[in-house]
Amino acid sequence: GAVVSQHPSWVICKSGTSVKIECRSLDFQATTMFWYRQFPKQSLMLMATSNEGSKATYEQGVEKDKFLINHASLTLSTLTVTSAHPEDSSFYICSATGAISNQPQHFGDGTRLSIL
Amino acid sequence: KNEVEQSPQNLTAQEGEFITINCSYSVGISALHWLQQHPGGGIVSLFMLSSGKKKHGRLIATINIQEKHSSLHITASHPRDSAVYICAAIGRGAQKLVFGQGTRLTINP
Repeated sequence: GAVVSQHPSWVICKSGTSVKIECRSLDFQATTMFWYRQFPKQSLMLMATSNEGSKATYEQGVEKDKFLINHASLTLSTLTVTSAHPEDSSFYICSATGAISNQPQHFGDGTRLSIL
Repeated sequence: KNEVEQSPQNLTAQEGEFITINCSYSVGISALHWLQQHPGGGIVSLFMLSSGKKKHGRLIATINIQEKHSSLHITASHPRDSAVYICAAIGRGAQKLVFGQGTRLTINP
């Protein structure tokens, strides 16, 4: 089946640092990628939808200058948490889908971000 | 009221039991996902279905479009089935998933 690789799986860094998370589709062309955030024991919250070659569409309440998304190729999207603070600590997970409608979304394994 | 409602929220059962998790939705959909999230956080898509029934191993998913209801069944449950199961609907003409709250399943040996 289709595989989505997310890296890193776990990161701890100091407050004020910018952190980049990568999401790669390994065996299919991901025309659309989604970035989610998940707090403990809560459901996934969509942050933004990213289409290859165009600007990401952010959900209401998500700061686009804080969470920079780049989807420059059909196999890679990146989420950069800029000037991270402890309240940004969370589990971030991406998913990807191809160009054909009604294709399933394939999820990465997630990145656990801890800001000290 | 959420657009996608799951029940139960928590379910504990003994190994070998037949498990049913329910999902009801209030919007028109093009398809519905059943997802499995293990304690480490990674998510696996178990099924995507828009009608009828799908089976994979011990897992069976059904959907009734008229009643806006889907079920996930696990036969001969095993402790390794312990996870959070999430149903997620895709609206017509949309790409975004609308998630249920998840069902935390624990299978005791």
